[in-house]
Amino acid sequence: DVKVTQSSRYLVKRTGEKVFLECVQDMDHENMFWYRQDPGLGLRLIYFSYDVKMKEKGDIPEGYSVSREKKERFSLILESASTNQTSMYLCASRFQGGTEAFFGQGTRLTVV
Amino acid sequence: TQLLEQSPQFLSIQEGENLTVYCNSSSVFSSLQWYRQEPGEGPVLLVTVVTGGEVKKLKRLTFQFGDARKDSSLHITAAQPGDTGLYLCAGLDNNAGNMLTFGGGTRLMVKP
Repeated sequence: DVKVTQSSRYLVKRTGEKVFLECVQDMDHENMFWYRQDPGLGLRLIYFSYDVKMKEKGDIPEGYSVSREKKERFSLILESASTNQTSMYLCASRFQGGTEAFFGQGTRLTVV
Repeated sequence: TQLLEQSPQFLSIQEGENLTVYCNSSSVFSSLQWYRQEPGEGPVLLVTVVTGGEVKKLKRLTFQFGDARKDSSLHITAAQPGDTGLYLCAGLDNNAGNMLTFGGGTRLMVKP
């Protein structure tokens, strides 16, 4: 069974903290994605990675960075968390050239 | 940036009623996908439509891709409480590395 696992379902962090969101997939997918989801705005792409050690900016990369040292793991880093980064974060993966994206269960991050 | 607009944003209906959700864009997409997201979970793919004018049925759900491949609709017949969730359309662009652009979502509640 296809599996994308995000390390935390809920996270509360303080303003200014460095935050790591981890995502692991077990399907040997080349492509991995980080989205944030806010009511009425759908899913907005933060960063994506075509393969190991590769990363590309999405539509809203400001305030975020990513790391992909291994094929199965894609990490999202909030360098200095701010309250406007309070959101639901979704990780997804898919095969290179594929169309179906498989999503993790999401991490609801609250920055206070 | 390609945009997808979904309507309505919210829909609350009684069990047994029919409903249609719309997804519109001024851009042409290579294909269009519909996902459903339940509370506390990530989106799950329902269907991909590829050809202009294509109609796909999934039990009580009917998906249509517009002739010009700019819009799509999802029709649910005799809605059931189990249909409750967030419905997201996503356009795929082959010319942009198969990147997905998501609509804002339609939150459906079906009351027993």
